[in-house]
Amino acid sequence: QVQLQESGPGLVKPSGTLSLTCAVSGGFIMTNNWWSWVRQPPGKGLEWIGEIYHSGRTSYNPSLKTRVTISIDKSKNQFSLKLTSVTAADTAVYYCARGEVKAATGINRFDPWGQGTLVTVSS
Amino acid sequence: SSELTQDPAVSVALGQTVRITCQGDSLRNYYASWYQQKPGQAPILVIFGNNNRPSGIPDRFSGSSSAITASLIITGAQAEDEADYYCNSRDSSGDLVIFGGGTKLTVL
Repeated sequence: QVQLQESGPGLVKPSGTLSLTCAVSGGFIMTNNWWSWVRQPPGKGLEWIGEIYHSGRTSYNPSLKTRVTISIDKSKNQFSLKLTSVTAADTAVYYCARGEVKAATGINRFDPWGQGTLVTVSS
Repeated sequence: SSELTQDPAVSVALGQTVRITCQGDSLRNYYASWYQQKPGQAPILVIFGNNNRPSGIPDRFSGSSSAITASLIITGAQAEDEADYYCNSRDSSGDLVIFGGGTKLTVL
């Protein structure tokens, strides 16, 4: 079965760039799925960051759009997140997840999720 | 509207039935999916589509929907069901993902 694993620095300085990678194992990234990033600040709810299709098409949360880039590396079966100009408000657990969307049937789901990685923004 | 509204907290007596609701205009176009999250763990999908359960999810979990309201129903709640529950959908264009604010379920 498909498994996702996030990796990247756990500490980023303010005004710096947060960079994370999600490795996909047990399946190919070139499937009819959207590959997403979701974050969760400590003690708060889930916030969708954005997603990418294997074609490279992306969609981003409007509140983060100016600072976010999601890319895909089909040769390595992984996708990545870059978030620029970070502040303490970007401190969160960052999850990657596989998304499935079928507009004709109204299906939308995220499964599976990675275990998550805590990124702290601090000097 | 591109928001999903959930009650912040709900409680249920052990063995009883509880309904957790999620409300938003986007639910006219997409079914809600539901996620269970326990402290320190990643969310897991428990219900999606028109009352579909992924393999491994107990059949005490079910879902229903009507107009702009979706419900997660736990029939015979167990102590291990105590967790945060999030609903999720897409906006009417299908391009943006929305999460509800989450409901903390306490099993008494």
